[in-house]
Amino acid sequence: AQTVTQSQPEMSVQEAETVTLSCTYDTSESNYYLFWYKQPPSRQMILVIRQEAYKQQNATENRFSVNFQKAAKSFSLKISDSQLGDTAMYFCAFMKNTGNQFYFGTGTSLTVIP
Amino acid sequence: SAVISQKPSRDICQRGTSLTIQCQVDSQVTMMFWYRQQPGQSLTLIATANQGSEATYESGFVIDKFPISRPNLTFSTLTVSNMSPEDSSIYLCSVEPPGLKNIQYFGAGTRLSVL
Repeated sequence: AQTVTQSQPEMSVQEAETVTLSCTYDTSESNYYLFWYKQPPSRQMILVIRQEAYKQQNATENRFSVNFQKAAKSFSLKISDSQLGDTAMYFCAFMKNTGNQFYFGTGTSLTVIP
Repeated sequence: SAVISQKPSRDICQRGTSLTIQCQVDSQVTMMFWYRQQPGQSLTLIATANQGSEATYESGFVIDKFPISRPNLTFSTLTVSNMSPEDSSIYLCSVEPPGLKNIQYFGAGTRLSVL
């Protein structure tokens, strides 16, 4: 079975600062995908970034980057130059390479303080 | 990506009634998914809906309670039947976009409150 753990229920960061959200997972699969989704108060689940497990290079998407440590089963999200619009719930998720079912973490509520 | 429209965006319903949620996609997709997000919780997959076949339900969810239709490649509905206050949740649909695997885009969700 796959599990995803987000150990930080709430975090805050000053505008323009950098914040890192933690995620660990457990799986016996060797090939899989990891995701960070953002859910602002509007409820829309927005894909932030995706990482393929067989790629060693960490994915980046503008101000968002990940630190993927496959051996440690860790997948943290770094948000640089935080903006007020980054205020949202952030979910880490796992998907097997052979499937299409997500396994979501419990989420981290991030507040960007002006 | 794909543009996904969900209706209604929110509703308040009486116990014992049913609500049908619609999910419309701007492109043809094979796989559509329905999730439930209970208050303060993460997302739980209810079922996977492929066009032309019966939906596949996850453990803990049954067709009588959550009937799903998938009449074509751009549309699906989820009905929450015989509602109780425990059904108060956000319901989201998602799709696997055409030409892409192992990724999903979500609709904005339907916030359901049952009195």
